[in-house]
This record gives sequence, structure tokens and C-alpha cells, in this order.
Amino acid sequence: NAGVTQTPKFRILKIGQSMTLQCAQDMNHNYMYWYRQDPGMGLKLIYYSVGAGITDKGEVPNGYNVSRSTTEDFPLRLELAAPSQTSVYFCASRGTDSSYEQYFGPGTRLTVT
Amino acid sequence: GQQLNQSPQSMFIQEGEDVSMNCTSSSIFNTWLWYKQEPGEGPVLLIALYKAGELTSNGRLTAQFGITRKDSFLNISASIPSDVGIYFCAGQLRETSGSRLTFGEGTQLTVNP
Repeated sequence: NAGVTQTPKFRILKIGQSMTLQCAQDMNHNYMYWYRQDPGMGLKLIYYSVGAGITDKGEVPNGYNVSRSTTEDFPLRLELAAPSQTSVYFCASRGTDSSYEQYFGPGTRLTVT
Repeated sequence: GQQLNQSPQSMFIQEGEDVSMNCTSSSIFNTWLWYKQEPGEGPVLLIALYKAGELTSNGRLTAQFGITRKDSFLNISASIPSDVGIYFCAGQLRETSGSRLTFGEGTQLTVNP
């Protein structure tokens, strides 16, 4: 199993551009999450999904959108990129058993200039 | 939003020393998780705790779920250079939709050979 994969690993955007961060998992996990991590800080939840077709906002959803058309994929869309969105973005997933253990991808480092 | 207070923020120790860090909250958690993040990588799960008072080990790492359900501790014995990284606690609150986790701000550990 590859686990949780994310692409791209790095990206530089100009202010106002848009892009999609890709996340995929091959563990048949229902729950998927998007976090951002600012320098020296913990993880803030952007959006999450409890299954295909179901998404909900986390702590910091403004400026982002998500979709979940399949169990495997959970892309994060940035519209009109702003410097405040410069961060490292992590995708995570967990199964539906009784544990709450989330497994993380390697991250996407995004810079908006 | 809900916060976890993680301390210390950073630690500089000599190889061979023992390390202790902790997380506290004003709220009750059902689950405590400890993650390690190395530079340029996503967080990796170290230990998961599910019962108040539970003490769990993973090699030289030992973590405890506090009796009050409002805190957790992580100890590393006989530290080695590869222990360097950021250690995050994460908790799952009761009745949180989507099984969301709340993360601490992290403890940056530096081990001098």
C-alpha cells in the first residue's frame, strides 16, 4: 500500500491564481482530512469528509473548497490565492473502526507571492 | 476553537538523557494520540491511548492518558540523535463530528550527540 499520497510536493503561485492540491489514499478509508501547518505552529483543520459525497468545514475553511467524488480521492481547491495561504498542506485519512488514528501524507509546500 | 496546551515548546538535550513532554486541556478527551514529524515530512503516529490511566509503550517511548482525561504525557528514554523532530499531541473530544482531532502546537526536540 502507498498509504496517503499528495501531489505536488512544492508549488509557487502568484496572487490571484488558483490550483488544486491532490490527495489520494489506497487504504479504503472513509474519513479524509485537509490540514494546514504554518511555520512553528500545529495543524489546523481546513475541511474533512466522512465518505464519498459528504464534506464539511473545519476550523479555517475560508478561501478553500473540496470535493469527494470517490472514496480514494479528496482534492483541495484554492481559488484566488492569497499570501496568507502560504503554508504546508497535509492530507490525512482514517478508517471506520473504533480507533481515531489518522495517517498523514507527506505534504505540499505552497508559497503564494 | 478548542486548544491543547503542549509544553515545553522546545527542548535541547544531550544524547542519552530522558525527555518528558505533556499536553493539557480544559476539556475532556476520549482519545489521545502522539505524533512525530521530521523535517519535510508528514506527522507519523507513535502511540494511541484510549482509556483514562492507560500507559502504553513503543520502544523507548512511553505515553500516558491522564486520569482526569484532560491531559497526556510522553516520555522518551535514553534519547538518540534520530529522536530529533517535532512531537505533537492530538486529542479527540467527546461528540466531535467527523472524529476530528485537536492538535497541540508541538514540542521541538533537539538532541546533541
